[in-house]
Amino acid sequence: QSALTQPASVSGSPGQSITISCTGTSSDIGGYNYVSWYQRHPGKAPKLMIYKVTNRPSGVSYRFSGSKSGNTASLIISGLQAEDEADYYCTSYTGSSWVFGGGTKLTVL
Amino acid sequence: QVQLVQSGAEVRKPGASVKVSCKASGYTFTNYDINWVRQATGHGPEWVGWTSPNSGNTGYAQKFQGRVTITRSTSISTAYMEVNSLRSEDTAVYYCVRYDYTDKRAFDLWGQGTMVTVSS
Repeated sequence: QSALTQPASVSGSPGQSITISCTGTSSDIGGYNYVSWYQRHPGKAPKLMIYKVTNRPSGVSYRFSGSKSGNTASLIISGLQAEDEADYYCTSYTGSSWVFGGGTKLTVL
Repeated sequence: QVQLVQSGAEVRKPGASVKVSCKASGYTFTNYDINWVRQATGHGPEWVGWTSPNSGNTGYAQKFQGRVTITRSTSISTAYMEVNSLRSEDTAVYYCVRYDYTDKRAFDLWGQGTMVTVSS
């Protein structure tokens, strides 16, 4: 199972909105609504930010949202803040396993 | 406090084995699956396998079949992952991860990670 494709890096200024894409195939993202997104700050464990494509866990800011179209899922962060600077990873269920994206480094300018 | 606490860093020679532990606390161990995910420097995460603490059932990514064994001890709320025939490409941080299979269908709690270094 090939890894999901994410841009290596994205950047934005405080207050702006950014989108991180995650492209897979009909065997993973396109076939299931079990797409989730994780945030990881250096030296910390990953944190769940979005689950089942569009859902936010309790405690995660409303500024984080998710969507999916065909074989591509997206994480949207609005009103960028300095604390959002981190690595972001997507993952999708494949029917018998899980596949992750390579990760996107978000820089807040 | 709801958490997963993993054992410390390990260094092994090629061909050796390593066993990493993951102790759960603050929640009912048997109500969630435990998965293992690894991440090598400069690479994205890679799913290794899972176990159901309730049933003991396990599943593995195809590339790890036969070389990785995941077990658990419900009496001490601890899961284990053993990797045999280690090679340099197995050098990575290994995370145990709680999987919520009833609601979120996602990895909702991560351990702090265990660095495994394979070097001669």
